[in-house]
Amino acid sequence: EPEVTQTPSHQVTQMGQEVILRCVPISNHLYFYWYRQILGQKVEFLVSFYNNEISEKSEIFDDQFSVERPDGSNFTLKIRSTKLEDSAMYFCASSEQGLGYGYTFGSGTRLTVV
Amino acid sequence: QKEVEQNSGPLSVPEGAIASLNCTYSDRGSQSFFWYRQYSGKSPELIMSIYSNGDKEDGRFTAQLNKASQYVSLLIRDSQPSDSATYLCAALSGGGADGLTFGKGTHLIIQP
Repeated sequence: EPEVTQTPSHQVTQMGQEVILRCVPISNHLYFYWYRQILGQKVEFLVSFYNNEISEKSEIFDDQFSVERPDGSNFTLKIRSTKLEDSAMYFCASSEQGLGYGYTFGSGTRLTVV
Repeated sequence: QKEVEQNSGPLSVPEGAIASLNCTYSDRGSQSFFWYRQYSGKSPELIMSIYSNGDKEDGRFTAQLNKASQYVSLLIRDSQPSDSATYLCAALSGGGADGLTFGKGTHLIIQP
């Protein structure tokens, strides 16, 4: 069964450092998303990406965050200057048609900011 | 502010019984609803989606939607210990690019 692949599975970084989280969505999917889940909290929407541009973003997705699809397969989330409160599980997801057909989530990257 | 509310539990159900999970949502513009299962430390896994009022069945799972009451539920029949997980309810208000609004989840424990 097709999978959304995320790397690394766990990243530890010092406060103020830049991190890039990587995702390979399912190949025929058109919509890509990033979500995060702080330990013990809800899964929260960060951003959606379609046709090589941001479609929607939440209040969480401020100027510290950026997304990119640098080639035909990878989809990245960059956090420019990490804060302690950025520590969370970050999930990439992709959807074939959008419109609520349900996402396939990747296995996640656990980001720990120290 | 779009909100999805769930009882966090834990909800304890004997093996073989029916587990009933509920969620309410605040945005009347929500059109699509989803139930995800999440094991500890893992990513959400889609179980069911529902878009119209009424019931939708898939194997041991039945999703129910009542838009007038802004209420979504999930029934799990013949509960198995492997069903023990956190169940997340999610709502989608717009099109494909919009983000899902998740509830905090209900922790379900199936007792052998």
